[in-house]
Amino acid sequence: AQSVTQLDSHVSVSEGTPVLLRCNYSSSYSPSLFWYVQHPNKGLQLLLKYTSAATLVKGINGFEAEFKKSETSFHLTKPSAHMSDAAEYFCVVSNQGGKLIFGQGTELSVKP
Amino acid sequence: DAGVIQSPRHEVTEMGQEVTLRCKPISGHNSLFWYRQTMMRGLELLIYFNNNVPIDDSGMPEDRFSAKMPNASFSTLKIQPSEPRDSAVYFCASSLRAGEETQYFGPGTRLLVL
Repeated sequence: AQSVTQLDSHVSVSEGTPVLLRCNYSSSYSPSLFWYVQHPNKGLQLLLKYTSAATLVKGINGFEAEFKKSETSFHLTKPSAHMSDAAEYFCVVSNQGGKLIFGQGTELSVKP
Repeated sequence: DAGVIQSPRHEVTEMGQEVTLRCKPISGHNSLFWYRQTMMRGLELLIYFNNNVPIDDSGMPEDRFSAKMPNASFSTLKIQPSEPRDSAVYFCASSLRAGEETQYFGPGTRLLVL
């Protein structure tokens, strides 16, 4: 069975500093992994997707994630946080039937 | 493209009333998903359709919940009778085809049952 664990329920950074949101996954086969972002009172927006091509995946708004099979991790990073990045972020794994399994989410706060 | 469209955006109702949530998927998408989001349980998949046919409804909490997809451009999620514990945000999502993993989400319907 597939699962994801987001290691932090809340992360707070200052504007202009790096962002690191951690995610570990469990999968019995080579997984597809995603990061989605949800701004307050909005739907979920796809940030980036990994599907066994390049291990470093670049997404929208300057975010990227690196797939590390040896560590079963798919951490999300951004070099410099912006106030508009404040939102909830979900790490997601897909099972073979195309169903998405969501992590519990990490709330990112950005301080001025 | 307008993206996935959901209506209403907000719904307040009293316990025992029927609630109907509506979704229009992205044109050309053949898979449609209904999710529920609560603080306690996070995001849960309720049911999904491929080519208008329900494939997996194992996430539907109980018989009070039902979903239909009469055609490729419309789906409903109905709760009858509604209860306060059904209060949540309900999301609809669509994807291009069965097994295509990228799902595109609507803005959600925020339901409050008093």
